[in-house]
Amino acid sequence: GAVVSQHPSRVICKSGTSVKIECRSLDFQATTMFWYRQFPKKSLMLMATSNEGSKATYEQGVEKDKFLINHASLTLSTLTVTSAHPEDSSFYICSAGDRLYTEAFFGQGTRLTVV
Amino acid sequence: SQQGEEDPQALSIQEGENATMNCSYKTSINNLQWYRQNSGRGLVHLILIRSNEREKHSGRLRVTLDTSKKSSSLLITASRAADTASYFCATDAGTSGSRLTFGEGTQLTVNP
Repeated sequence: GAVVSQHPSRVICKSGTSVKIECRSLDFQATTMFWYRQFPKKSLMLMATSNEGSKATYEQGVEKDKFLINHASLTLSTLTVTSAHPEDSSFYICSAGDRLYTEAFFGQGTRLTVV
Repeated sequence: SQQGEEDPQALSIQEGENATMNCSYKTSINNLQWYRQNSGRGLVHLILIRSNEREKHSGRLRVTLDTSKKSSSLLITASRAADTASYFCATDAGTSGSRLTFGEGTQLTVNP
């Protein structure tokens, strides 16, 4: 299957700072990437859909200004958590899709801790 | 948006036993996928079953899909301690592909 790389795997930041998480498709062109958030012992909740070259589509209840998504190329999408607060601490995971593939390919996830 | 439900939420079995997990969903789907997640790690794709399929096998895994009941089951046969993980079903209903809605997950513990 295709490979999606997510970086960093873990990050600790101070309240008020911003954190950028990268999601790269290594061996295919991802026209669409998805960002999910997962709380401990909970399921994955879709945050937004990122389309290359256009604005991301956010799910209801997700703050666009808090979670900035950029998909500038067919192999890279970034999620920036701005002015992070402890309640933003969570596991963030991306997936990439392409019209050639039916299944989604997931990154390894990023554990964000805001102190 | 649809949100799947899975049962049981937690399942504890002995090595060698079979594990069955169920998933229900609310709207029409294109396909349903099962994923595995080890604690604090990313997702591993296990198997995909299309809406026009009723059963699929992959190694020790067997997945069924009943679109009339909007439900699916994942059977792991001859379980091993290494199968201990969370298992999620995810449905894909859109045309863009890969926009998934996840179930709540089942935490499987296989005791040696």
